[in-house]
Amino acid sequence: EVQLVETGGGLIQPGGTLRLSCAASGFTVNINYMSWVRQAPGKGLELVSVMYSGGSAYYADSVKGRFTISRDNSKNTVSLQMNSLRAEDTAIYFCARGIAGSDYAFDYWGQGTLVTVSS
Amino acid sequence: QSALTQPASVSGSPGQSITISCTGSSSDVGGYNYVSWYQQHPNKAPKLLIYDVNNRPSGVSNRFSGSKSGNTASLTISGLQAEDEADYYCSSYTASTALSFVFGTGTKVTV
Repeated sequence: EVQLVETGGGLIQPGGTLRLSCAASGFTVNINYMSWVRQAPGKGLELVSVMYSGGSAYYADSVKGRFTISRDNSKNTVSLQMNSLRAEDTAIYFCARGIAGSDYAFDYWGQGTLVTVSS
Repeated sequence: QSALTQPASVSGSPGQSITISCTGSSSDVGGYNYVSWYQQHPNKAPKLLIYDVNNRPSGVSNRFSGSKSGNTASLTISGLQAEDEADYYCSSYTASTALSFVFGTGTKVTV
């Protein structure tokens, strides 16, 4: 059974650093493309970052230069390093798996982890 | 890259059919067959309903169907049920950004 479990969220001051982790089971993270999607309170979905099986990574303009996605094949995890956090980064962060057979859809999602950026 | 445009809300009675639109441009919805649809219940993770315009993942009810015409994609829910009350988001490949994905603004469906 495919499962994604995010950890690492919490309350952090503006300018601070946080690292989110997504533990995958039921598949290997280096086979599918993986992503982080966030949802600010009461708002819609925003794709933050995606990493493809070959290792290439892309970011939303709003986080470029501040966030870094990475993958640990030995632990079967995907992480999101978030630096220079801002109030507008406050959101639930979901880890999602790219569906096999298509490059542009996510078939499994974690339950999400809440990041609150506030002083 | 601006979000794809969806109606804020759509409502229907049990048993009816409703359609949610998702309007973009030739750089996303209109130019590629990579539209997907997600359902999200309150305080839950999104669930994939449709991918590549009209493909359903295994386990998704055939009451959900997708289509596209020009720059507008649509999700139709037939035989509306109480459990269909949720938020719905479209998504598309976009050639406008390196990230290549754009989500819609979201639609609240009330049954």
